[in-house]
Amino acid sequence: QKEVEQDPGPLSVPEGAIVSLNCTYSNSAFQYFMWYRQYSRKGPELLMYTYSSGNKEDGRFTAQVDKSSKYISLFIRDSQPSDSATYLCAMKNTGFQKLVFGTGTRLLVSP
Amino acid sequence: DTAVSQTPKYLVTQMGNDKSIKCEQNLGHDTMYWYKQDSKKFLKIMFSYNNKELIINETVPNRFSPKSPDKAHLNLHINSLELGDSAVYFCASSPTRNTEAFFGQGTRLTVV
Repeated sequence: QKEVEQDPGPLSVPEGAIVSLNCTYSNSAFQYFMWYRQYSRKGPELLMYTYSSGNKEDGRFTAQVDKSSKYISLFIRDSQPSDSATYLCAMKNTGFQKLVFGTGTRLLVSP
Repeated sequence: DTAVSQTPKYLVTQMGNDKSIKCEQNLGHDTMYWYKQDSKKFLKIMFSYNNKELIINETVPNRFSPKSPDKAHLNLHINSLELGDSAVYFCASSPTRNTEAFFGQGTRLTVV
């Protein structure tokens, strides 16, 4: 079993939809949680970074962490075709430099 | 004003050759990494350096040798390239050990 599980998709939605992307994990020591967006043939770009449990909002993006359920989510409101990309969750322990990634979910937003 | 830059962007080479990938960050970060992304897009850490010191070596074959001449640079040298080394290699950096990582654009290595 992988440490971080993520549905690979693809997830297809119409423009304007609310998108929910999720990851589950098994290591209860993870404290730092990140979401990256990766366009085809580009490097991962950091979208959201949260520490421990709770919510964080940035524009159309909201990240949620539920440590009791070992479950994290990224919500995208008013999705745009330019949001079409692969979304990777990543997490790490305190004091450890290693980021553990999910396999990524491919999102397709159609006009 | 590129933050984390890698060269080359593409690398096609024959089996058995030796090649290097260079990485530089101008963010003033203390920590640098090499990650490998396979054909299924799975990103996995290979090495981590903190202030030029090797911190993580994640069961990578010793044909792969990282070198950090200073904390702004982390290069990756690969000896005796194999077909299975074909992947995208990403360099990344972070301000400290406990913060988010910023990635370069990747080097797409193809071994033929």
